[in-house]
Amino acid sequence: DAKTTQPNSMESNEEEPVHLPCNHSTISGTDYIHWYRQLPSQGPEYVIHGLTSNVNNRMASLAIAEDRKSSTLILHRATLRDAAVYYCILRAYGGATNKLIFGTGTLLAVQP
Amino acid sequence: NAGVTQTPKFQVLKTGQSMTLQCAQDMNHEYMSWYRQDPGMGLRLIHYSVGAGITDQGEVPNGYNVSRSTTEDFPLRLLSAAPSQTSVYFCASSPRLNTEAFFGQGTRLTVV
Repeated sequence: DAKTTQPNSMESNEEEPVHLPCNHSTISGTDYIHWYRQLPSQGPEYVIHGLTSNVNNRMASLAIAEDRKSSTLILHRATLRDAAVYYCILRAYGGATNKLIFGTGTLLAVQP
Repeated sequence: NAGVTQTPKFQVLKTGQSMTLQCAQDMNHEYMSWYRQDPGMGLRLIHYSVGAGITDQGEVPNGYNVSRSTTEDFPLRLLSAAPSQTSVYFCASSPRLNTEAFFGQGTRLTVV
């Protein structure tokens, strides 16, 4: 399984945008890029996913580099509720499994 | 809106005891998985299932059994609990590959 690399931690101020980076230099052509987050004492929560094009939803935006070797999760206006661990995960399309391989993620702290 | 339901939420076992962690989903999802999360780490895949009657091993399957007799239920059995199995266990389901995975709230297991 291809691996992802994320910073261990980041800080942001409330109401400001946050850019969470992820490197995945060994990504294959059939790997989707998924982002999940985990709030304290809760199960992971889906944020967004994409393959090649940038994606937007109500929670966030996902910007994917043209060579797909990196991506950035963008929270447009951070709130205190966005403080969580954010996981960038590659998920192979077309295989016989639905495996999500988690790394250690980025711990995002949001200051008021 | 039950989603993915895990029981129990908390459990203390003695070394050598066996028990079953329950996971049920009411969304008719084909894919279900079990993960464990140790302190300061990301989630690790234990076992997964791509449909009723079909299961396979993940990254850390030793000491655990699963079965999938129905679409809704995916129990995880600890055969002979060991202190190394002290962890938080999460169950997840998704309708098909490369879609959003839904996680339960977790079961915190302590083996003494």
